[in-house]
Amino acid sequence: AQSVTQPDIHITVSEGASLELRCNYSYGATPYLFWYVQSPGQGLQLLLKYFSGDTLVQGIKGFEAEFKRSQSSFNLRKPSVHWSDAAEYFCAVVVYGGSQGNLIFGKGTKLSVKP
Amino acid sequence: DAGVTQSPTHLIKTRGQHVTLRCSPISGHKSVSWYQQVLGQGPQFIFQYYEKEERGRGNFPDRFSARQFPNYSSELNVNALLLGDSALYLCASSAGPPSTKNIQYFGAGTRLSVL
Repeated sequence: AQSVTQPDIHITVSEGASLELRCNYSYGATPYLFWYVQSPGQGLQLLLKYFSGDTLVQGIKGFEAEFKRSQSSFNLRKPSVHWSDAAEYFCAVVVYGGSQGNLIFGKGTKLSVKP
Repeated sequence: DAGVTQSPTHLIKTRGQHVTLRCSPISGHKSVSWYQQVLGQGPQFIFQYYEKEERGRGNFPDRFSARQFPNYSSELNVNALLLGDSALYLCASSAGPPSTKNIQYFGAGTRLSVL
């Protein structure tokens, strides 16, 4: 069955430090992958997506992610974290079957930023 | 342009009651999906509608039902509420049919508390 694993439940980084959030997926076909961010009490905002082509994708707010098929990974990175990046981050894969296309999410990684 | 709007934002119900949650998609979007997010977990797929037809259903009991109206807005209904139905219910809209590379844009959600 298709699944998404985010190994880190909670990560704390200092402001200005670099960030990498891990995501591994299990999916038989070529995956369509997403990273969403959720601030407290809010819905999900799309950070970036991978459909095909260049395996390094750029997103909003200075985030990027790299698709590595050999490792079944789609890790999210940011070179310098800002206090406003504190939020929960979700990796997701789209599952297509018949006439349906729904997202399967990981359990999320909560990011805290130290001043 | 307005994003995905959901109402109400918060709701408190007691066990055994019925609840209706509403969603208006982004203007021009014809597909609506519903997700349940229990505290500390990633969102889980409930339903997907496109052009008023159900295109997909997640692993939820028959107490959950939904529909999409001619103006593409949608309702999620839950009967015989259980304590375990307490969650953030998210609605997402996308422009085209679910089987293509359509990005899902999320609303802020309805927080349902069942007492």
